[in-house]
Amino acid sequence: AQSVAQPEDQVNVAEGNPLTVKCTYSVSGNPYLFWYVQYPNRGLQFLLKYITGDNLVKGSYGFEAEFNKSQTSFHLKKPSALVSDSALYFCAVRDPNDYKLSFGAGTTVTVRA
Amino acid sequence: DVKVTQSSRYLVKRTGEKVFLECVQDMDHENMFWYRQDPGLGLRLIYFSYDVKMKEKGDIPEGYSVSREKKERFSLILESASTNQTSMYLCASRQGNSNQPQHFGDGTRLSIL
Repeated sequence: AQSVAQPEDQVNVAEGNPLTVKCTYSVSGNPYLFWYVQYPNRGLQFLLKYITGDNLVKGSYGFEAEFNKSQTSFHLKKPSALVSDSALYFCAVRDPNDYKLSFGAGTTVTVRA
Repeated sequence: DVKVTQSSRYLVKRTGEKVFLECVQDMDHENMFWYRQDPGLGLRLIYFSYDVKMKEKGDIPEGYSVSREKKERFSLILESASTNQTSMYLCASRQGNSNQPQHFGDGTRLSIL
């Protein structure tokens, strides 16, 4: 079985400060890991993925994420947050041998001006 | 760019009605998925299809069925709508059983009265 935990329901940061959204996962083998963002009344937009290789992956809109196998974590980061980054963020994991993607409950990010 | 189109953004139906939600993708993807999204629960998989006429139950299939007669179209059917099926429904597609991300439509917000 595979699962994802996003321990924070909400993250609040000031514009210009670093942003971190936490994610831990559980999967039997080597995971495929994804981050998505959802703006109000829209579907999910893909931000970045980890499949293999370098533990630091870079994605859209200046976001990056670090894969840590020993801590089974895949935290999303942005060095300098923008007000426009305010949205709902989802972490997802997939066992390569399974079709299904398992999502966390989501973290609402609010960036104040 | 992949485009996943859901036929309705907002839908209001009555208890006991048969409801059809339609989803079309334009990238010849083999895999298609239906999720429901509820606050605090993230996305939960209802059904997925890995090819035409092929389908598998997800985590919460009760009360739903699906149809995939053509590769580009995946329909979700609520056989007899109930109030606990009021939710946001998201369709997604993906290229085969690959490490590529799923691409999402904008969602259908369904209210059952």
